Order: sequence, then C-alpha cells, then structure tokens
Amino acid sequence: GQNIDQPTEMTATEGAIVQINCTYQTSGFNGLFWYQQHAGEAPTFLSYNVLDGLEEKGRFSSFLSRSKGYSYLLLKELQMKDSASYLCAVLDSNYQLIWGAGTKLIIKP
Amino acid sequence: GAVVSQHPSWVICKSGTSVKIECRSLDFQATTMFWYRQFPKQSLMLMATSNEGSKATYEQGVEKDKFLINHASLTLSTLTVTSAHPEDSSFYICSARDRRDHEQFFGPGTRLTVL
Repeated sequence: GQNIDQPTEMTATEGAIVQINCTYQTSGFNGLFWYQQHAGEAPTFLSYNVLDGLEEKGRFSSFLSRSKGYSYLLLKELQMKDSASYLCAVLDSNYQLIWGAGTKLIIKP
Repeated sequence: GAVVSQHPSWVICKSGTSVKIECRSLDFQATTMFWYRQFPKQSLMLMATSNEGSKATYEQGVEKDKFLINHASLTLSTLTVTSAHPEDSSFYICSARDRRDHEQFFGPGTRLTVL
C-alpha cells in the first residue's frame, strides 16, 4: 500500500529552527510537495522536490532523498505566524497526490 | 501563481436540502480537479477526482449518488451535496491541476453547516 508518515505535532520556539520529517512508500514517484495549512483555511503551496537535494526558498528549505524515501521541511527564524499544519504529499506513478496526515507545528514565544 | 476560486465560502442549510459548491480555475485550464473534505483537526480526505468531460472517480466509502460531481469545462467543476445531513457538515476544498504540469492549486474552501 501507499503510505506517508510525518509526526503528528511538533513544538518550537520563536526565532528557532525546526525540521519536519516525512517518509514515504508509494507506487512510483513524480515529486514531493510541502503545503502549509492554517486552521480553517485551505492548504497553500510551499515547495516541490523531484530531484535529490536541498531547495532553499527564503526561511523555508525542503530536502529530498529518493533512495531513502525521505524528505524534510526546514523552517528557520520561526515566527508566530508559522504556527500551522504542514502537509507532505507525494505524486505517485499515476500523478495522483498521496497525502500525509500533516504535522501541527506550535510556536511558543 | 495560479488562482482557484470556490463559491460559496460558507453555507448553512437545513437537513434534507441540497447544496452546490463551485470550483473554478481562473487563469489556467485544469483537466483534473480534486474534491477534498476535512473535518476539524483532521487531515484532508480525498473524496473524488474529476476529469473534464468524463465521470468522476470516487474514493472508497464516498457515495457517488450523494456527492454529485460535474466537470463540464476546463475551468469549472461542481460538487452537489444532495439531501444534506448534519454529519455532512465539514470544510470542502477543491484543487485544480494545471494541464501543463502537475502542481495542484487549492481553492479557499467552503464551510458547510447542516442544521
């Protein structure tokens, strides 16, 4: 079966760095997405990785290792507004998105 | 980035009535649109995949006669919740996939409350 695993909840301090991990087992791989979702709102796109390595975009970076079926989202200089759920999703061989359950990130002052 | 709109943003209806939710891709053509449902504090749950000009593919456990999906054009898909009941109260989110690549763009969601 297809499976995406990510931690249910994480807590970090304002100004710090946090890494949210995602492991996957899917039928085929055509890329991995990270989305941010604030409570009561729809998800918004953060990043897309299809090749191994680190993609940096401002305070957010995303890493992918296809051989390990592993990705992480790195958030630097955390701000209170970063409190949200972070969703990992993999595009499988049929170009369907397989979603993780999301990681709720709580930022404390 | 690409924009997807949903209408209405929120709706309150009586039990037994039907509610139609529209999802539009405003600046791109979407051959595929997805409908999700999300209950409070839970993950997105894919309900169905809608391809333009063909019947929608429903996920296991989703009643196709209750959740009617129509994808009549490359920019519009509709979800009709028929004979709504309180347990159908949820946050319904659509997303559209650009035919040129495979990124999904999400609509802002529709909050449905059935009394």
